[in-house]
Amino acid sequence: TQLLEQSPQFLSIQEGENLTVYCNSSSVFSSLQWYRQEPGEGPVLLVTVVTGGEVKKLKRLTFQFGDARKDSSLHITAAQPGDTGLYLCAGLTGANNLFFGTGTRLTVIP
Amino acid sequence: DVKVTQSSRYLVKRTGEKVFLECVQDMDHENMFWYRQDPGLGLRLIYFSYDVKMKEKGDIPEGYSVSREKKERFSLILESASTNQTSMYLCASSPRSSSYNEQFFGPGTRLTVL
Repeated sequence: TQLLEQSPQFLSIQEGENLTVYCNSSSVFSSLQWYRQEPGEGPVLLVTVVTGGEVKKLKRLTFQFGDARKDSSLHITAAQPGDTGLYLCAGLTGANNLFFGTGTRLTVIP
Repeated sequence: DVKVTQSSRYLVKRTGEKVFLECVQDMDHENMFWYRQDPGLGLRLIYFSYDVKMKEKGDIPEGYSVSREKKERFSLILESASTNQTSMYLCASSPRSSSYNEQFFGPGTRLTVL
């Protein structure tokens, strides 16, 4: 089983601050996905990054896939209360199996 | 609006009971998955199915079984519930055509076994 460690596990920040969440593994993945899960709901896909070094932007969210395709980061600029939720990374293996990270629970305080 | 639905949001059962968790998707997806979610452990795959009547074990299949009699429905069965199966259960689906196995999730069933 591939292990994807996310850090920090919990993050509480004020509205307007910037933050970065990390997703690290010793395994190489063919692609990596980021999901956000709001309380009482299932995870919802935010983005998929495919190429080593790839950077994707989704409004105030910037996702980067590491050059070696073992790690990824999510940077949020000027966080808003609507960004509150559990952020999950998930790596796809060559066998098309998806492995989820341990999650980062973000709280943005108004 | 396409969606994955799960039969119950909350469920309380007693140790030893047989428990059925139902999942239905209306997106005509071939692939369906059952995960359990526990704090600090992320999502762990229990079983998955790539077609009707097919099933494959995931990372933690012990104590669970599944049934896929129709394309849109994937059921998770706890033959004899135990307290360590108290968890959030998430169902997901994805189309066979997806290159990256991007998954659509249901809202989850929070199961408590007393």
